Amino acid sequence: DVKVTQSSRYLVKRTGEKVFLECVQDMDHENMFWYRQDPGLGLRLIYFSYDVKMKEKGDIPEGYSVSREKKERFSLILESASTNQTSMYLCASSEVPNYGYTFGSGTRLTVV
Amino acid sequence: QQQVKQSPQSLIVQKGGISIINCAYENTAFDYFPWYQQFPGKGPALLIAIRPDVSEKKEGRFTISFNKSAKQFSLHIMDSQPGDSATYFCAASDDKIIFGKGTRLHILP
Repeated sequence: DVKVTQSSRYLVKRTGEKVFLECVQDMDHENMFWYRQDPGLGLRLIYFSYDVKMKEKGDIPEGYSVSREKKERFSLILESASTNQTSMYLCASSEVPNYGYTFGSGTRLTVV
Repeated sequence: QQQVKQSPQSLIVQKGGISIINCAYENTAFDYFPWYQQFPGKGPALLIAIRPDVSEKKEGRFTISFNKSAKQFSLHIMDSQPGDSATYFCAASDDKIIFGKGTRLHILP
C-alpha cells in the first residue's frame, strides 16, 4: 500500500510562529503536492514538486514556502503563521503528475 | 474555463437508495476524471476514474457516467449504505488537476 504520512494530525501554533508541516511518501513517487482544505472552498493547491529540489507555486502560495531535499519528503513552511492559515493541510503524491493522487490523512492546523 | 462545478453541496439519501452527484467542466482538454472519497479525519482516497473515450465505468456499486458533448460527468452510488457517508470530490485534469468543491453525502440507516 502506498503510504503518505503527515507527521502531525493536530497542531496549535501562535500567530507569527514559523511552522513546519512534514510529509513523507514511501512509494518512490516523483510528484508531491500540498493542498489546504476549507469548508465550502474544497481543495486548493499551495505548492507542488515534480522532482527533488524542484518546486512550483500552486494557486495560493502566498505566506507559504516548501522544501524538497529528498525525493520522499516534501515540507510545507508557514513563514509567519497567521489566523487565516488555520485550515486542514493535505499532502499528496503521485506516480504520474495530476493522475491518481494518494493523500495523507491531513494536519489540522489552528493558529491562535 | 478551469473550474469544475460540483452539485449538490450536500445530499441525504435513504439506505438502499441511489446517490447521484454531478459535475460539469468547461475545458475540453481535460482527459482524466477521477472521483475521491473522504471520510472524516482522513485524506481523500481515489474511488474511481474515467477517461473521456468511454461513457460509463462501473466498479461494484459505484458508476461514473460521462457525457462528453455536455461536458458533464456524474457519480452514481447504487444501494447506498451508511458506510458510504462521506465527502465526495470530483476532479478533472490535463496538465493540472482541478477539484470540485465537494459533496457531503449522508446515508440514513
